[in-house]
Parts: sequence; structure tokens; C-alpha cells
Amino acid sequence: DQQVKQNSPSLSVQEGRISILNCDYTNSMFDYFLWYKKYPAEGPTFLISISSIKDKNEDGRFTVFLNKSAKHLSLHIVPSQPGDSAVYFCAAVTGNQFYFGTGTSLTVIP
Amino acid sequence: EPEVTQTPSHQVTQMGQEVILRCVPISNHLYFYWYRQILGQKVEFLVSFYNNEISEKSEIFDDQFSVERPDGSNFTLKIRSTKLEDSAMYFCASSEDRGWNTGELFFGEGSRLTVL
Repeated sequence: DQQVKQNSPSLSVQEGRISILNCDYTNSMFDYFLWYKKYPAEGPTFLISISSIKDKNEDGRFTVFLNKSAKHLSLHIVPSQPGDSAVYFCAAVTGNQFYFGTGTSLTVIP
Repeated sequence: EPEVTQTPSHQVTQMGQEVILRCVPISNHLYFYWYRQILGQKVEFLVSFYNNEISEKSEIFDDQFSVERPDGSNFTLKIRSTKLEDSAMYFCASSEDRGWNTGELFFGEGSRLTVL
């Protein structure tokens, strides 16, 4: 039962362009959504989050959009940089339980 | 900057052996978690721990698994009789009281378990 889905396992983007990572969820009880970034051989690190009462949150080059009616979350990275190459996990929270997607591997091509 | 630390970074064990993975969460955090990621698969929730007891656990967290906070700093995951399918990267995480804050999890770097 996968409550959080990332349907694109990988994405390649040219440096300087926009990267858009998508995430869909099924549980309407989720009240917080987060994106984590993971480099090989490291644990995931927190990137940006959004409350379910908002539809957008921006932090520098990173913007998260939430469409509750569509149960869809996206992360925009503009402009993309080679150092952004990593696996990105979206996560959704209800209570104190976090549900993670399967991840999208982003490659930013110099 | 405070961080979650995990030991060992990699453990190789024979099937049927007991394994203990150790974690030192961030000192003022109240919620503790174990997750695992089988190679090429999603990060899976195992268990959450609050106020010295398990608050939630997944179907994966069966009787072969146990968690303990033996002192004020360590948080351990014990796998009693390891199976081949337990081979994975195990991540410990901690967070502050959920309240109305970001609910951000801080992850350790992971402990890779290889069961032969």
C-alpha cells in the first residue's frame, strides 16, 4: 500500500534549467509534506516542507507546490546546478509517521 | 551543528545471527525512528519511539525486531535472527516534539547491513 508515489525514477536536466520533481499521494489526512535530498552513502537531508494549509513555499532556488484537490506535490529547482544531482524523496506526514516515496534520481548535466 | 550518528557504518553477518545497530539521536529530540532502504527500493518506515515506548510500527517490524533506549543517549535496533532479506541500509532519525513545527526529521548516515 503505497500512500506516496514518485512515478519518475529518474530525471535529467541541463544546468541552468528548471528541474521539476513530482509526487502524488492518496491519504487526505496528511498534514505536512517534505522533500529530502540524498547523496550516495549518506542519509537523507531535509530540503523544504509545506503545510497542507498552504499551496506554495519558496526557499531560494527551491519551491514546493501543493495541489490538494489533485493530491499532488511538486518541487521546482531553478536554476538547476550540478550539485543538485541526487535522489529526491518526497514525504508526507500524519501524526508522527512519515511516509516516503520511492525517490527520483536527478542528474543535472553541466 | 547537531547531527544523528549511527554505528556501525557497515556490518556483515551470517544468516541467523543477532545484530544490534546503534544510533545517537540529537540530544534535545523526543521522537526517534528507524527506517530502512533495500537497495533500489523506497525508504520504508520501521518504527517510531516516544517517551520510552514504541508509538507506531509497520508490518515490517515483526517479532524479530526490537528497539531500546538503554540510556539517555543511545537508541538501538536489534534484529534477533537475521534473514537474507534483512540486508538493507538502516537509517535512524530523530525529531523534536511534533507540535506545530516543521516535523522535520534528521537522519543519520545509515548502517549498511549485509546478511550472508
